[in-house]
Formats: sequence, C-alpha cells, structure tokens
Amino acid sequence: EAQVTQNPRYLITVTGKKLTVTCSQNMNHEYMSWYRQDPGLGLRQIYYSMNVEVTDKGDVPEGYKVSRKEKRNFPLILESPSPNQTSLYFCASSLFLGGMNTEAFFGQGTRLTVV
Amino acid sequence: GENVEQHPSTLSVQEGDSAVIKCTYSDSASNYFPWYKQELGKRPQLIIDIRSNVGEKKDQRIAVTLNKTAKHFSLHITETQPEDSAVYFCAASLPINSGYALNFGKGTSLLVTP
Repeated sequence: EAQVTQNPRYLITVTGKKLTVTCSQNMNHEYMSWYRQDPGLGLRQIYYSMNVEVTDKGDVPEGYKVSRKEKRNFPLILESPSPNQTSLYFCASSLFLGGMNTEAFFGQGTRLTVV
Repeated sequence: GENVEQHPSTLSVQEGDSAVIKCTYSDSASNYFPWYKQELGKRPQLIIDIRSNVGEKKDQRIAVTLNKTAKHFSLHITETQPEDSAVYFCAASLPINSGYALNFGKGTSLLVTP
C-alpha cells in the first residue's frame, strides 16, 4: 500500500531533550516536506527536500533540522525542543512527474507536546 | 516566498446549499493550485487541483476556478452534505525549477448543517 508513515504519533517530552520524528514513504517520491499545524495558522512549512542530499528551509525552520540521506526517509530533528514547538506535525511527499508538481501525500501526523 | 490568503476562515451552510472558498496568491509564477480537505483528527487529503494552463476543473460536486490575471482561485462545492464538514486548505506552488515549495492558506472550517 502506498503510504507516508510518521513515528511516533504522539510524543510528550521535556524542554531541551533532543528528539527525532521519523518519516518514511514507499512511493519513490523525490519531494518530501515537513509542516506544523497550529490553530488559526494553517499548515506552515518547516523544511523541504527536492531529492537526496538536497534540503531547503521553509517558512518556519528555526529550531528544527532535517536530513535526506535516503530517498525514502526524511527525519525531523529537534535538537533542543521548547514549549513553542508544541504542535501537530505532518510529513508529506510528492512525485515530480515530467517536471510538474503533483499531489502531496501526508503522513498520519505527530502530536508533540513540550513541557 | 509565495503568500496564500484564504477566506473565509469559517463558513456555515445549510445542507443542499453551495459553498465557496476563495484564495489569492502573490507570485504570478505559481503554476499549481491544489485543494485539501482535512476531517477532524485526520490528515489533509487532496480533493481537487488545477494547473495554471486551465481556467476551471470540475469533479462531481466540486469545482475549482482559476483567474491568473487577478491571482485568485476558488473552490465551489454544490449540493453540500453533512460529510462535507471539514477544514479546507488551498495551496499554491511555484514551478519545480523555481524552488518548489507548497504554501498553504490558513484554512476554512466548513460546517454543513442538516
């Protein structure tokens, strides 16, 4: 089954404790990205990757890191989480078909609480 | 980067009525405009999309129109049903060779009352 898988689904952590949220897709998509969703602010892009070893900042990259060592995986790293990073996080992937943008598939979401 | 504005933020309609959600974008080079539906507690899912070389696209009760000159696009849902209740997001993206990034509006919470 074609899918984007995030782990964990729920996470409660303490300020300053490094964490990683994993994202994996099995559709051989070039493009992967991370969004955070907060009430009234919609989906804001954190980082995106056009392909292996190619990453770029989105609109709200501060406090986050990513890596794209393999095509299928795009982990989101919070080196020193703070309470303002409490949010619902979504990973998404899409295919560049003939050089054109196509549908983005989203993971199930990770609800992160930083206390 | 691309800035996408979406209105209204909330919309309540009676079952059977039509619903219209409007979005504007800032970069005239944007060429892909998808719409996503997010039900409560679920992930966003694509319901319809349109490319810049097309002015209108329809899929059953859902249609999207694009006005490139005015840089706005709209989602039209006809004969609304209670299961259409959800948050709807519009998005816009630049061409891949311009640094593809999918930018979303803030969302419209649609409530369809029986």
